[in-house]
Amino acid sequence: AQSVAQPEDQVNVAEGNPLTVKCTYSVSGNPYLFWYVQYPNRGLQFLLKYITGDNLVKGSYGFEAEFNKSQTSFHLKKPSALVSDSALYFCAVRDPWNAGNMLTFGGGTRLMVKP
Amino acid sequence: GAVVSQHPSRVICKSGTSVKIECRSLDFQATTMFWYRQFPKQSLMLMATSNEGSKATYEQGVEKDKFLINHASLTLSTLTVTSAHPEDSSFYICSANDRTGLTSGANVLTFGAGSRLTVL
Repeated sequence: AQSVAQPEDQVNVAEGNPLTVKCTYSVSGNPYLFWYVQYPNRGLQFLLKYITGDNLVKGSYGFEAEFNKSQTSFHLKKPSALVSDSALYFCAVRDPWNAGNMLTFGGGTRLMVKP
Repeated sequence: GAVVSQHPSRVICKSGTSVKIECRSLDFQATTMFWYRQFPKQSLMLMATSNEGSKATYEQGVEKDKFLINHASLTLSTLTVTSAHPEDSSFYICSANDRTGLTSGANVLTFGAGSRLTVL
């Protein structure tokens, strides 16, 4: 079975500082990995994905994530945080060979960026 | 990019009544749509996979008679919460995948804005 862990319920950073939101995963095959962001009372917005190729993927709003197969991680990063980045972030994994289109989400991490 | 429209965004109903939530893919065809439920401060839990022209596939623990799913066309799936009770109050989110990858990029699920159901 596939699973995702986001070890931090909340991450606090000051505006202008770099941010990292952690994600580790478990799948039996090669993973498809995703980050989504959710603003209050809204659906999820796609940020970025790793399917294959370069381990460092760049996405929307200046976010990037690095796929690390040996550590089974896919941490989300941004060099300089903005107050408007404050939201709920979800990491998700899909095992295309065993789970079809089904995404499994992590528990979510609330990012708070303070001025 | 791909757009998934969900309606209504908010609904308040009395206990015992039924509520229908619609999920539409606006610029692509979706043979499969997914319905998620999100509790406050919790992650998304997949409820069911909606398959166009056939029965939905429900996740373990989800009552199929309580949460009726119909996927009558390639652009519309509906979730009906039957005989709703206060414990059904939640945020319901649908999603769909444009398998052509033309509108959203391959393998990317596009989510609706969600529907907040409050059962009094």
